[in-house]
Amino acid sequence: KNEVEQSPQNLTAQEGEFITINCSYSVGISALHWLQQHPGGGIVSLFMLSSGKKKHGRLIATINIQEKHSSLHITASHPRDSAVYICAVISPPGNQFYFGTGTSLTVIP
Amino acid sequence: EPEVTQTPSHQVTQMGQEVILRCVPISNHLYFYWYRQILGQKVEFLVSFYNNEISEKSEIFDDQFSVERPDGSNFTLKIRSTKLEDSAMYFCASSVQGMGQFFGPGTRLTVL
Repeated sequence: KNEVEQSPQNLTAQEGEFITINCSYSVGISALHWLQQHPGGGIVSLFMLSSGKKKHGRLIATINIQEKHSSLHITASHPRDSAVYICAVISPPGNQFYFGTGTSLTVIP
Repeated sequence: EPEVTQTPSHQVTQMGQEVILRCVPISNHLYFYWYRQILGQKVEFLVSFYNNEISEKSEIFDDQFSVERPDGSNFTLKIRSTKLEDSAMYFCASSVQGMGQFFGPGTRLTVL
């Protein structure tokens, strides 16, 4: 069973498009992470959030605790945004980490 | 900009051998983590470490694995008696409380 589900699995967009990646989870959480994994394999933490909304540049992350759902939005997408975006949650009481399988994004010039 | 470093970048070993993967977390961070990613699969949590002890571990982290902070800077993952299925990318990460994690570039472990 997957505690964290992401959609879509794969996404292709034209440069400039607004992109949304969704994450649903089935466990109680203390925090949710959005991570970016580059084609070379490196991982960067984009956001950690437990409520509301966070914005960093063209990236926006929202979370709805009641609905157990989070979204990652990318405005004015660019080819350099091409990567795998991973949702991960921390679940108490033991603070176990659960990862989604990732959304592979390709932005075409 | 501070960064997490990992050595080696690629480790090849024979099945049954012991390997030690090394990580240098960011200097003022107090929370340390190991993850693994088998090729083509999702990232999996192995263990978290705080205040010189394991704070959480997954069911993957069995007696074959151990972690240590032997000095003030290094954080190591030891895999005893490696198996073929241990072949994966191993990522180290560190953080301060309540903040996002900084990931290292990973060590690719290949078990032959």
